[in-house]
Amino acid sequence: AQSVAQPEDQVNVAEGNPLTVKCTYSVSGNPYLFWYVQYPNRGLQFLLKYITGDNLVKGSYGFEAEFNKSQTSFHLKKPSALVSDSALYFCATLTGGGNKLTFGTGTQLKVEL
Amino acid sequence: DAGVIQSPRHEVTEMGQEVTLRCKPISGHDYLFWYRQTMMRGLELLIYFNNNVPIDDSGMPEDRFSAKMPNASFSTLKIQPSEPRDSAVYFCASSPATGGSNEQYFGPGTRLTVT
Repeated sequence: AQSVAQPEDQVNVAEGNPLTVKCTYSVSGNPYLFWYVQYPNRGLQFLLKYITGDNLVKGSYGFEAEFNKSQTSFHLKKPSALVSDSALYFCATLTGGGNKLTFGTGTQLKVEL
Repeated sequence: DAGVIQSPRHEVTEMGQEVTLRCKPISGHDYLFWYRQTMMRGLELLIYFNNNVPIDDSGMPEDRFSAKMPNASFSTLKIQPSEPRDSAVYFCASSPATGGSNEQYFGPGTRLTVT
């Protein structure tokens, strides 16, 4: 079955430092991978996706993700974290013939001053 | 565009009552998804529609749950009878015609509390 795993429930980072939120995938065939963010009391918002092509994907709000086939990973990164980046981050992959998203368990990012 | 619209934003009801959640997708989007989010189970896909037709309802937990999409601009998720374990945040999302390879746009959610 197609799935993604987020090994960290929470990540704490100081403002201005680089951040990484980890995601690994278990997908047969070519993976379609996504990152979404959820702010408190809001719905999920799309950040970026990897379908094919360049392994470094750039997305919204200065985020980027690196697709690594040998490590089956798709980690979310940002060079300099902001307090406003504090939110719940979800990794996801397409399943069910390409129309369903299966989400990871989420990683709570906390950026402190 | 106003985005995906859900109503009500909050619903508190007693066990055994019928609950109806409503969703208006983004105009022109052909796919509509219903999700449930809880602390214990995370984010679960309940059902999704393509062009108003239910495609996959394998995530619907039991017969107490039903969903309809009578037209391209409206969908409902109904729970009858409701139980305390149904307490969760329910999200509706929509996506353009190319389906899952395009991003899904989520509504603000309905927080359901069943007492």
